[in-house]
Amino acid sequence: GQNIDQPTEMTATEGAIVQINCTYQTSGFNGLFWYQQHAGEAPTFLSYNVLDGLEEKGRFSSFLSRSKGYSYLLLKELQMKDSASYLCAVGDSNYQLIWGAGTKLIIKP
Amino acid sequence: DAGVTQSPTHLIKTRGQQVTLRCSPKSGHDTVSWYQQALGQGPQFIFQYYEEEERQRGNFPDRFSGHQFPNYSSELNVNALLLGDSALYLCASSWTESSYEQYFGPGTRLTVT
Repeated sequence: GQNIDQPTEMTATEGAIVQINCTYQTSGFNGLFWYQQHAGEAPTFLSYNVLDGLEEKGRFSSFLSRSKGYSYLLLKELQMKDSASYLCAVGDSNYQLIWGAGTKLIIKP
Repeated sequence: DAGVTQSPTHLIKTRGQQVTLRCSPKSGHDTVSWYQQALGQGPQFIFQYYEEEERQRGNFPDRFSGHQFPNYSSELNVNALLLGDSALYLCASSWTESSYEQYFGPGTRLTVT
């Protein structure tokens, strides 16, 4: 079957760093995506990893290990506006995205 | 450059009724995918339309049907609504059916009472 796991909720402090983990088991793999979704809004694209390693984009970085079926999203210098859900999704062999349930990130002052 | 648009924004229906949701893709995109997102869950793939045909379908009953028009816009129809159909319905468009790069619309919040 297809399974994507990520923590339900995490809490962090403004200005700090937080790492959101994602593990996956899917039939076929064509990349791993991270999306941000504010409450009541559509998901917006953050990052895409298809090869092992770290991709850095400003305050956000994403890591992938294909052999371990593992990824993480690293958020640095947290801001209150980073409070949102973070969704991990895997591209399957049919060019469809298989989604995790999302991690709700709560930022405290 | 207009992004993906959806209408209506919110909708309230009664069990057993039928509903039609609409989506216009981002300019230059020809593929539309529909997702259902229940509260606190990730999006679940319903189906994808390309060249006016349903190309792929997720694990949803036949009550869920769709259409794509020559201008690439799309409709999602749900018949015999159930309480469990209450969700945010997201439309995403992409360049082709073989692209992972999807742009999402703001969604339609459907409430079934």
